[in-house]
Amino acid sequence: GAVVSQHPSRVICKSGTSVKIECRSLDFQATTMFWYRQFPKQSLMLMATSNEGSKATYEQGVEKDKFLINHASLTLSTLTVTSAHPEDSSFYICSATVGGGEQYFGPGTRLTVT
Amino acid sequence: DAKTTQPPSMDCAEGRAANLPCNHSTISGNEYVYWYRQIHSQGPQYIIHGLKNNETNEMASLIITEDRKSSTLILPHATLRDTAVYYCIVRLFSGNTPLVFGKGTRLSVIA
Repeated sequence: GAVVSQHPSRVICKSGTSVKIECRSLDFQATTMFWYRQFPKQSLMLMATSNEGSKATYEQGVEKDKFLINHASLTLSTLTVTSAHPEDSSFYICSATVGGGEQYFGPGTRLTVT
Repeated sequence: DAKTTQPPSMDCAEGRAANLPCNHSTISGNEYVYWYRQIHSQGPQYIIHGLKNNETNEMASLIITEDRKSSTLILPHATLRDTAVYYCIVRLFSGNTPLVFGKGTRLSVIA
């Protein structure tokens, strides 16, 4: 149980285009989902916290107009990177929680912007 | 900011126990100690968590000192597949509180 999926697993896009990443909790309803970003050889950095039906809370330094988060249901959250640039190339990871202490992580999405 | 300190890297011989230390001297009374690991290019995987008692599951054991200022994660019989970055995180037991990752310990299990 407690499986989180992400789609796509990897994506290559051209500079200036937008990319949508989906995060789904497959066998549970997630009250809260989190989005992280990880650059090579660095740790995970929290980008935002997302609750179903409400606006996401972004961490300091994360542009909310560039990284659009939609948490439409208890099993789906999406992250859209708008007008992507090469510096947005990174490993994006989502996680979900059912209200208890454990966070369940997705497998990650590797974004490359050319 | 992460509230834990871990050594940046450790080596362990295959089949031996891997003991990963973590300092969390500013932990508060209602914060738990969580351990996750991340194998290269994958999402983090939950290992174990505890408040003040030692804990054991099928993956590992967690030893927390009496003053709760440090802990040790023990992998009893390390295998090559245990090579990963191990993160020690202190956090309230609440689903709405995100995990804040420090730099972790890169464990290399050597044949």
